[in-house]
Amino acid sequence: DQQVKQNSPSLSVQEGRISILNCDYTNSMFDYFLWYKKYPAEGPTFLISISSIKDKNEDGRFTVFLNKSAKHLSLHIVPSQPGDSAVYFCAASDNAGNMLTFGGGTRLMVKP
Amino acid sequence: NAGVTQTPKFQVLKTGQSMTLQCAQDMNHNSMYWYRQDPGMGLRLIYYSASEGTTDKGEVPNGYNVSRLNKREFSLRLESAAPSQTSVYFCAAGRYNEQFFGPGTRLTVL
Repeated sequence: DQQVKQNSPSLSVQEGRISILNCDYTNSMFDYFLWYKKYPAEGPTFLISISSIKDKNEDGRFTVFLNKSAKHLSLHIVPSQPGDSAVYFCAASDNAGNMLTFGGGTRLMVKP
Repeated sequence: NAGVTQTPKFQVLKTGQSMTLQCAQDMNHNSMYWYRQDPGMGLRLIYYSASEGTTDKGEVPNGYNVSRLNKREFSLRLESAAPSQTSVYFCAAGRYNEQFFGPGTRLTVL
């Protein structure tokens, strides 16, 4: 059973609008959450992270929100750009820190 | 700096053949990882090595072996390949959000 789930396999957004990518988790031991971005034929690259002691973290156009009671996090991209088109993975870690558990990914397409 | 490199980029095997996927990093990280990526499943951890000389199983270790040859190199071996091992394999180095991934090896087992 997947402990980290991204229920939307794909999302299409117009350039300049907001993209919202969602992620749910089941393991209450997870205390650190990350988003990775992946272009075709490349490895994933780190995008943004959040610790469970926070409910929001911002980095430029990217903001991650964490709702611990709902075991839900989301990534907001504002404004969306065509270069943001990629697959986005959310990942979670417990305090042991050695292993990341990834969601299935959401393919974002930003249309010009 | 090359970061994390993987060889080969592509490989086709027949069922029962063996092969080793190579990974090297030049970032001086202690931890290294092997993942496989399958459609809709995200990345699943096969094995990891928290430091030179140690290895531990991840989520999906069956059918694989690993060797942490030194701090730089971490190889993944398939002793008897099966069609279920058709996947894209990623090596990574680092820890937490500092995991840096290689470009991947696309493996097809016929």
